[in-house]
Amino acid sequence: GDSVTQMEGPVTLSEEAFLTINCTYTATGYPSLFWYVQYPGEGLQLLLKATKADDKGSNKGFEATYRKETTSFHLEKGSVQVSDSAVYFCALKRNTGGFKTIFGAGTRLFVKA
Amino acid sequence: EAGVAQSPRYKIIEKRQSVAFWCNPISGHATLYWYQQILGQGPKLLIQFQNNGVVDDSQLPKDRFSAERLKGVDSTLKIQPAKLEDSAVYLCASSLGVGRENEKLFFGSGTQLSVL
Repeated sequence: GDSVTQMEGPVTLSEEAFLTINCTYTATGYPSLFWYVQYPGEGLQLLLKATKADDKGSNKGFEATYRKETTSFHLEKGSVQVSDSAVYFCALKRNTGGFKTIFGAGTRLFVKA
Repeated sequence: EAGVAQSPRYKIIEKRQSVAFWCNPISGHATLYWYQQILGQGPKLLIQFQNNGVVDDSQLPKDRFSAERLKGVDSTLKIQPAKLEDSAVYLCASSLGVGRENEKLFFGSGTQLSVL
């Protein structure tokens, strides 16, 4: 069945460091791919998405590129801030037969000042 | 724009008791989802509604969990009887639809359930 695998956390970085959170997926067809973020004390919210191969989603300085050949959607940011401390979830949604959104286990990021 | 509303925020019950959660999605959103998030894990889809019809309930433990979406708007999720392993945050989400242009999920704050 469909699944999402992301790197285990926690990830601890100093402010202005480069961030990569790895995400790979298993799915048939061409799913949509997402990164959702959960800030402390808040609900899950969409950070960025990509809907087809080689698309790049971006928001708030974060980027992720839909790589069909490696079934990956790694999240990157060039310079993290303390305010980026949160839990990041990679997710996919099939666009045929069901349309449900499946989440990875989440990666907690701590950014130190 | 009002967000997804959920209540209660917290609930503590003893095993074998029953509990119900309520969700009011964003106005106009046709698709409603209930997810279970166990501590340290990602959200797991329990049931998905399109208007007032069930689209997917393949991971809903139907011997103890039930859900309905009245008139295609509000929804309730019930557990009866609860087990210790049901302790989790229950998240409600909604989206305009399921097409690529409408697929963004909007989440409520969740109900944190503790079963003792």
